Amino acid sequence: DAGITQSPRYKITETGRQVTLMCHQTWSHSYMFWYRQDLGHGLRLIYYSAAADITDKGEVPDGYVVSRSKTENFPLTLESATRSQTSVYFCASSHYTGTQNTEAFFGQGTRLTVV
Amino acid sequence: AQRVTQPEKLLSVFKGAPVELKCNYSYSGSPELFWYVQYSRQRLQLLLRHISRESIKGFTADLNKGETSFHLKKPFAQEEDSAMYYCALSGSARQLTFGSGTQLTVLP
Repeated sequence: DAGITQSPRYKITETGRQVTLMCHQTWSHSYMFWYRQDLGHGLRLIYYSAAADITDKGEVPDGYVVSRSKTENFPLTLESATRSQTSVYFCASSHYTGTQNTEAFFGQGTRLTVV
Repeated sequence: AQRVTQPEKLLSVFKGAPVELKCNYSYSGSPELFWYVQYSRQRLQLLLRHISRESIKGFTADLNKGETSFHLKKPFAQEEDSAMYYCALSGSARQLTFGSGTQLTVLP
């Protein structure tokens, strides 16, 4: 199916474990983003990527790692999960036309609970 | 650095009343401004962007560079407008930054 999909939708993990959240888009959009959504904080940017093999830190990158070996995939890894990383994570993609970004399309979100 | 501020976390209005959701931004260059909306149990989606100057679902937003604001307005709120609204900014680095959001509730 065309679009942007995240997996898993729900994840419970233990403190200290490594967990990877997957994001896949079928439009070949150049830009991809990872956000976390927390009450009172809205959406905060964790990492973003302008193209394959190009990634940049956002507002709250500590404790997270990303990679982008292929344009369509942008996995987010929590190397050693902490309770403060319990959140809803959203992936998004958009295309840069050379003068402006198209609208960002969002995945359905992954609800991560760290116990 | 770029920053988006939405001063109201919660906003309630009665059906048929005007509504204004405030958004202020901080950015040294020429930003692109957006409003995104998240209805209950749905994905976040674009509502409108300042470049297009459109009216979507009766909502409008005007970029005021002097006041660095991009407030969202609708003259007559409807119950189906109840949702979480996010203001967002994209700068020269193409980083898309969101505000903390405003939960709008339209009362019958």
